[in-house]
Amino acid sequence: DSGVTQTPKHLITATGQRVTLRCSPRSGDLSVYWYQQSLDQGLQFLIQYYNGEERAKGNILERFSAQQFPDLHSELNLSSLELGDSALYFCASTYRERPQETQYFGPGTRLLVL
Amino acid sequence: AQTVTQSQPEMSVQEAETVTLSCTYDTSENNYYLFWYKQPPSRQMILVIRQEAYKQQNATENRFSVNFQKAAKSFSLKISDSQLGDTAMYFCAFMGNRDDKIIFGKGTRLHILP
Repeated sequence: DSGVTQTPKHLITATGQRVTLRCSPRSGDLSVYWYQQSLDQGLQFLIQYYNGEERAKGNILERFSAQQFPDLHSELNLSSLELGDSALYFCASTYRERPQETQYFGPGTRLLVL
Repeated sequence: AQTVTQSQPEMSVQEAETVTLSCTYDTSENNYYLFWYKQPPSRQMILVIRQEAYKQQNATENRFSVNFQKAAKSFSLKISDSQLGDTAMYFCAFMGNRDDKIIFGKGTRLHILP
């Protein structure tokens, strides 16, 4: 158990809908990273937050947004969902701002868009 | 742009054998970080080993070691005395010093056979 929690574990929804994925970092960690793992795109970095502020951005679509709250949990919002958004979404956390240190991954949220 | 290439989509070895997974990358940076992550059937992402490019000594973690060839931009993972629990997808990953994005390879699916 990495100490990073993600909810829900599974999510099934329809095209055009909006969903929110939640991540709680390890106790004491200030940085949260979001990743998408799909069959065709592989594992891709989406976005990073450090202590409530956006720190780095990867291949995140404009339909997706994220935020980190004062209690350091983070939410990834996916809107106007398309079939291609079906994927496993991971979050990871580190204590410091730079991700070079060990990133502890959560168990992931599996999203299926029908 | 930085790229990470894993040329072996799938490999199988007998238990107790030694196996080497290949990874090459492309970058113009001199300082960077390299990682191997393991993703077992549970889908949890687990850091296996990391290497800082400025360190000449190859990283080792118990049965896992790397062969880091900076000039050749090669970063292979050696698993000694392989165990059934090593069965997993293995991802090679790169992170530059200027950019906080982690770039993952497509992965190598490793089967350890009894």
